[in-house]
Amino acid sequence: DIQMTQSPSSLSASIGDRVTITCRASQSISSFLNWYQHKPGKAPKLLIYAASSLQNGVPSRFSGSGSGRDFTLTISSLQPEDFATYYCQQSYNTLWTFGQGTKVEIK
Amino acid sequence: QITLKESGPTVVKPTQTLTLTCTFSGFSLSTSGVGVAWIRQPPGKALEWLAVVYWDDEKRYSPSLKSRLTIAKDTSNNQVVLTMTNMDPVDTATYYCAHRRIIGATRSFDPWGQGTLVTVSS
Repeated sequence: DIQMTQSPSSLSASIGDRVTITCRASQSISSFLNWYQHKPGKAPKLLIYAASSLQNGVPSRFSGSGSGRDFTLTISSLQPEDFATYYCQQSYNTLWTFGQGTKVEIK
Repeated sequence: QITLKESGPTVVKPTQTLTLTCTFSGFSLSTSGVGVAWIRQPPGKALEWLAVVYWDDEKRYSPSLKSRLTIAKDTSNNQVVLTMTNMDPVDTATYYCAHRRIIGATRSFDPWGQGTLVTVSS
């Protein structure tokens, strides 16, 4: 299995802050990395695919970068609706695996 | 517009078999490249991929749960069924189904259903 490790597991931030979440794969996965946003009671939502491609309709304050083993999700200016849990997911092989999640909370 | 909806029991007893149905619209599982996956989230824990079935009836399972899972497609009724045997309280979770999307060489799950909470309790 490819293991995905996110850090931090949680963070507190204020409206307008720049937020960075990292994800590391246990082996190289090229750019086969997706990011999802999950709010309680809601369906998870695809934000970023192929490491850096923004899904249609996702605000441009979200961005992704990285390749190989190390990846980053950045929120350039945190908005109230961004408080959620974020997951990375590898799609390098067909045994899909997720990171353990990063909960973004209000400071 | 693609939509998916999960259905099934809200409570199952330990050792019982869980059967969940994903009913979808906006795509066909007979179309080349299409797939539907199941993912779960135990309370307070992370997302965990369970299984996926593709248009050509290829199936993949999480290695840790493979012995307990069966996924099947019903193309004519636009449904995918997941069965999980020998349920245990640790299997209490919200179960989601999702459309497996392809853009170029990349794959992702989009969109997802709203999920269904399954509690394992005697």
